[in-house]
Parts: sequence; C-alpha cells; structure tokens
Amino acid sequence: RKEVEQDPGPFNVPEGATVAFNCTYSNSASQSFFWYRQDCRKEPKLLMSVYSSGNEDGRFTAQLNRASQYISLLIRDSKLSDSATYLCVVNLFVGQGAQKLVFGQGTRLTINP
Amino acid sequence: DTEVTQTPKHLVMGMTNKKSLKCEQHMGHRAMYWYKQKAKKPPELMFVYSYEKLSINESVPSRFSPECPNSSLLNLHLHALQPEDSALYLCASSQEGQGGTKNIQYFGAGTRLSVL
Repeated sequence: RKEVEQDPGPFNVPEGATVAFNCTYSNSASQSFFWYRQDCRKEPKLLMSVYSSGNEDGRFTAQLNRASQYISLLIRDSKLSDSATYLCVVNLFVGQGAQKLVFGQGTRLTINP
Repeated sequence: DTEVTQTPKHLVMGMTNKKSLKCEQHMGHRAMYWYKQKAKKPPELMFVYSYEKLSINESVPSRFSPECPNSSLLNLHLHALQPEDSALYLCASSQEGQGGTKNIQYFGAGTRLSVL
C-alpha cells in the first residue's frame, strides 16, 4: 500500500465549477500535511497547509481527519489558472531532527473554458 | 523571500562525465533536501541535510554524492550516471528539520538532467 494515495485523475471540469480532491495516508505518526501545486515542467509550490480544524484560503478549503487518515481539498469557483497537478503531501518526523515529505502521486486538474 | 536557486537549469552529460548540481538559499533555513522527479511521477526524496549534517540517505546509489559546504549551499555530485538517472532534480529547504509549520519546504526550479 502506498504511503499517500490520491486519485490521479485527470479531472476535467468547466470554469466556475467546484472540484474536490481526496487523499489518504497510511502512517498514523504523520506530523503535518500540505497541498502543493505543480504546473507542467515547474517545481512544486505550497498551496496550503492542512489543519484538523480545517482551513480556508480564498477559494480553497482544506480539511484533515486524523482518525480516518484522510485529507481533502475543495476548490470553489474554479479558474483556468487552477489547471495544474495537485500533490497531497505528508510530513514524517523520522527522528534526530530529520523529517521527510512523502508525496501522493498527484491529481491532474484541467479547467475548461 | 522564499527563493531557492538551483544551477544549472539544464544539464546534458555522458555516462563517463562528472558534474555537479548546485542549490543555494539565503532564508536562514537549516534543513536542505534533494529530490528526484521523473515525468508524471511525484518527487522522490534522495537526501536530507539537517544543520549541515546528512540525516537521511534514501538508499541512493553512490554515483550520487551530496555535499553541504555551509548552511546556505547544497551540492549534488554526479559521476558515472546511467540513462535512467535522467530526471528533474529538485532542491528544497525548510526552516528546521522538526515537525510543525517550520517544516514547510520551499523548492527550487530544478535542474533537468539528461544522461546520454
């Protein structure tokens, strides 16, 4: 079983639609959680951290359910510029001051005009 | 400023060449990372340096040799690579190697490596 699992998509949705991504992780010792966005042939960029209380940044809402080991991302009123690959990322503290990010395989999103 | 600078942007090398990738950050981050990313796959961790000491080596072949000369610089020395090593090599840094918000990692633009 993969440490972080995501539906790879692709998701093709019309502009203005609401789209939701889900992700599950297997290691209950995971420390922190993120959504990164990666455009084609570019580096991953942090979209938002994810907290148990849920957090919102403009059109983006992220949720974490530690009991179910489940992370979600909701994008409302999608824009053409939201087209990208969305990476669910889990941070593991591996001891001695070291930590590692474990990436899901990414969900490809295309917003159509 | 959350900038991580990687050079070169592109590199083509033969299997007998020796080359180095460079990564620099001036954010005062004390943890730095090398990742490898193949097309349509997520980044895979290679090495972690925490406070200039190697803390994680994800069983990377010895033809990849990391070096952290100081807290701002991270190198990846390449020798006798194989064509399957062709990939995007990403450097990242974070404030410290602990849990919590301080571990947000910021990525450089990467070096796109082709091994012929």
